[in-house]
Amino acid sequence: AQSVAQPEDQVNVAEGNPLTVKCTYSVSGNPYLFWYVQYPNRGLQFLLKYITGDNLVKGSYGFEAEFNKSQTSFHLKKPSALVSDSALYFCAVRPSGNTPLVFGKGTRLSVIA
Amino acid sequence: GAVVSQHPSWVICKSGTSVKIECRSLDFQATTMFWYRQFPKQSLMLMATSNEGSKATYEQGVEKDKFLINHASLTLSTLTVTSAHPEDSSFYICSALGLSQETQYFGPGTRLLVL
Repeated sequence: AQSVAQPEDQVNVAEGNPLTVKCTYSVSGNPYLFWYVQYPNRGLQFLLKYITGDNLVKGSYGFEAEFNKSQTSFHLKKPSALVSDSALYFCAVRPSGNTPLVFGKGTRLSVIA
Repeated sequence: GAVVSQHPSWVICKSGTSVKIECRSLDFQATTMFWYRQFPKQSLMLMATSNEGSKATYEQGVEKDKFLINHASLTLSTLTVTSAHPEDSSFYICSALGLSQETQYFGPGTRLLVL
C-alpha cells in the first residue's frame, strides 16, 4: 500500500536555528514528492516538489528538501528558521499520472523567538 | 503561480439544508480537481476526484448522493452537501491539478458549520 510517514507530530526550533521536518514514503515506482504548508484556517500552500533530476530541491520561503531514494526519504529543511515559519507541514506523494496525492499526517512546526 | 479560489470561505446553515461550495482555478484550466475534508488537527481526507465532463470518482465510504460533485467546466467544480447534518461540519478543501499534471494547487478552504 502507498503511504507517507511523518514521524514527528511536533517540531520545536529556536528562531535562527536550522530546521528539519522528516518524511519517508512507501510507494512503488518513481513517485512525485511534495511539501505543502498550512496556516490556521487556510488551505495548503505549495512549497516544493521533486519530480526528477537533482536530489536537492529548492522551494519557496527558503525551504529545500533532499530526495534520498535509498532511504525513501524527502526531508524538508531550512538553514535559519523564522517565527513566521510556524505552521502545519504536510509531505505528500503522487504515485503516478494524475492520481491524487497521498498525504502524511502532518507535522506542526513551532519556531520560538 | 496557479491560484485556486473557493467560495464561500465559511458558511453556517441549519440541519437539513443544502450547501454548495464552488472551487475555481483562476489562471489555468484544470481537467482534474479533488475535494478533501479535514478534521481539526488531522490530515486531509480525499473525498472524490472530479474530471471535467464526467462523473466524479468517490473514495470508499463517501456517500455520492450526499456529496454531489459537478465539474462542468475546466475552471469550475462544485461540491454540494445535501441535507446537511451537524456531523457534516468540517473544513472542505478543493484542489486543482495544474497544466503540467504534476502539482496540485489548493484552495483556501471552506469551513462549514451545521447547526
